[in-house]
Amino acid sequence: LAKTTQPISMDSYEGQEVNITCSHNNIATNDYITWYQQFPSQGPRFIIQGYKTKVTNEVASLFIPADRKSSTLSLPRVSLSDTAVYYCLVGDQFSGGYQKVTFGIGTKLQVIP
Amino acid sequence: DTEVTQTPKHLVMGMTNKKSLKCEQHMGHRAMYWYKQKAKKPPELMFVYSYEKLSINESVPSRFSPECPNSSLLNLHLHALQPEDSALYLCASSPSLAGGRSEQFFGPGTRLTVL
Repeated sequence: LAKTTQPISMDSYEGQEVNITCSHNNIATNDYITWYQQFPSQGPRFIIQGYKTKVTNEVASLFIPADRKSSTLSLPRVSLSDTAVYYCLVGDQFSGGYQKVTFGIGTKLQVIP
Repeated sequence: DTEVTQTPKHLVMGMTNKKSLKCEQHMGHRAMYWYKQKAKKPPELMFVYSYEKLSINESVPSRFSPECPNSSLLNLHLHALQPEDSALYLCASSPSLAGGRSEQFFGPGTRLTVL
């Protein structure tokens, strides 16, 4: 059972780079790591997914060390609109032929002017 | 169309009412999900449908009854709910049932209040 641990909250000033680290010590060999962003009263939105090393897209980077027991979501030059909750997900147990993914507690990022 | 739509946006119902939540996607996704999210908590998985068949029921009380009429639609029928069932109900879809590898597309949710 892969469980994730993230900081409950973080504050950052506008324009700074924000790094949110997620621990997943029991990650399985074939598990991927996925991050979602959620604004209040909206559904989560996929940000990025990776398996190992580094992944970058137009909004974020994901750093995964060789042992894959943690991952770091990096948001470059955050703005006020990046204030949201960020969830780190890894695979969970299989049920009915489906590998569940369980949302962890999430990190509430507050961007300050 | 890369959107998951949910109706209604808000719903207030009494404990004796019967209501339904609707979810629709036109991305050709074959897996659809219902989640429940309480305030300041992460989404909790309720049901998973794959190819219009129920794959997972996370021990959800029978007062919640899912239905998948076709590959684009997912309903959640509500009956005899309790005030503690008040929450944001989220629908999601993904291209396949690839679990942790499959990106899920979420709708905006239905804010349900049970009086």
